[in-house]
Amino acid sequence: GAGVSQTPSNKVTEKGKYVELRCDPISGHTALYWYRQSLGQGPEFLIYFQGTGAADDSGLPNDRFFAVRPEGSVSTLKIQRTERGDSAVYLCASSLTTGENTEAFFGQGTRLTVV
Amino acid sequence: AQRVTQPEKLLSVFKGAPVELKCNYSYSGSPELFWYVQYSRQRLQLLLRHISRESIKGFTADLNKGETSFHLKKPFAQEEDSAMYYCALSGQRSGNQFYFGTGTSLTVIP
Repeated sequence: GAGVSQTPSNKVTEKGKYVELRCDPISGHTALYWYRQSLGQGPEFLIYFQGTGAADDSGLPNDRFFAVRPEGSVSTLKIQRTERGDSAVYLCASSLTTGENTEAFFGQGTRLTVV
Repeated sequence: AQRVTQPEKLLSVFKGAPVELKCNYSYSGSPELFWYVQYSRQRLQLLLRHISRESIKGFTADLNKGETSFHLKKPFAQEEDSAMYYCALSGQRSGNQFYFGTGTSLTVIP
């Protein structure tokens, strides 16, 4: 595709429910990142994939959060037993590689609201 | 620990005036520094990176390792520059992921 695509663009869910957020990266990009952005804050790192494997998941806040990228392309961020504090914009980004001259391309984000 | 600090949450300047958005960082090693911009209702996008030493839309940023700063500058602000600006760093010691500052909202007053 032309850019990083995230679906849904908006998601409202009830406290305690399970949600899945999808990210479709730019074709051929091996690196994929998930970030969370709360109001008034910068993007906060959650997890980074290199290919199919999670190269760094140190930003996941707790075990309710999990992400997969089974075929090295599309990724799904999964949140179990959602809490009101999970409400934020979840951003996905992808890059061709990592290291020098890496440019991350961002999606529009999924705005998650837990009521 | 890696950290990016943008001390100004809000910055307003008049059209045609110079603008400087401050960014300081903390990093053990040689980081790559970036400025990302988010215009209203658009996605976050790369503005410039220190390694390219380029000027984009009239903006420049110089990496000052002594002061651990990467301030963004433009000599003459334009109305279309109004946006949210994020300073970010990346590097091998950060696992190649990006650390972002909290952002500065720039408003250029006509």
